[in-house]
Amino acid sequence: QVQLVESGGGVVQPGGSLRLSCAASGFTFSSYGMHWVRQAPGKGLEWVAFIRYDGSNKYYADSVKGRFTISRDNSKNTLYLQMNSLRAEDTAVYYCAKDQVLGWLQLQEGFDYWGQGTLVTVSS
Amino acid sequence: IQLTQSPSFLSASVGDRVTITCRASQGISSYLAWYQQKPGKAPKLLIYAASTLQSGVPSRFSGSGSGTEFTLTISSLQPEDFATYYCQQLNSYPFTFGPGTKVDIK
Repeated sequence: QVQLVESGGGVVQPGGSLRLSCAASGFTFSSYGMHWVRQAPGKGLEWVAFIRYDGSNKYYADSVKGRFTISRDNSKNTLYLQMNSLRAEDTAVYYCAKDQVLGWLQLQEGFDYWGQGTLVTVSS
Repeated sequence: IQLTQSPSFLSASVGDRVTITCRASQGISSYLAWYQQKPGKAPKLLIYAASTLQSGVPSRFSGSGSGTEFTLTISSLQPEDFATYYCQQLNSYPFTFGPGTKVDIK
């Protein structure tokens, strides 16, 4: 069965850095685009970043562009989010999510599997 | 692309028919998905391509619309449907979510 397990969250001071990981299993990780989505406490969902199945294309929300970097290691079935210059407004639960459609089909049919989330708290 | 949802909150009873609207600031064809989220849980995909029911999702959920206006309908609300619902546009990056509609028990 498909599993996505995030890790790496914690408390960090403003201006600090953190790297999140998402370990994938139960599907051919290298065939699917992957996303990070976050949710601030008591707030709605915010899409953060996407990486193509082969790592060739990446997209970011304006709110994190230039500070966050999405990457993947298909040999380790793992997705990453490197977060630098963290701000209080980055405090959120961060979810990794899988595209439903195979990456090379260039279709979008939503995110069919999500991890349980990892909490990032930016506070002094 | 900005998404708005209405209402932001609705109170309903078991058995009620519920409709949630999502509007996009520009045309997105049928590149819209709906998710359900319960407290402390990850979102769950309900509908994609505006009207295609995700595998395993009960048939009381349905979606319609194209262009800039979309609806999610629950034909007969069940106790397990009390949750927050989000629309998401998948037409172009950055993919955006609507602000959510919380469905509560009357």
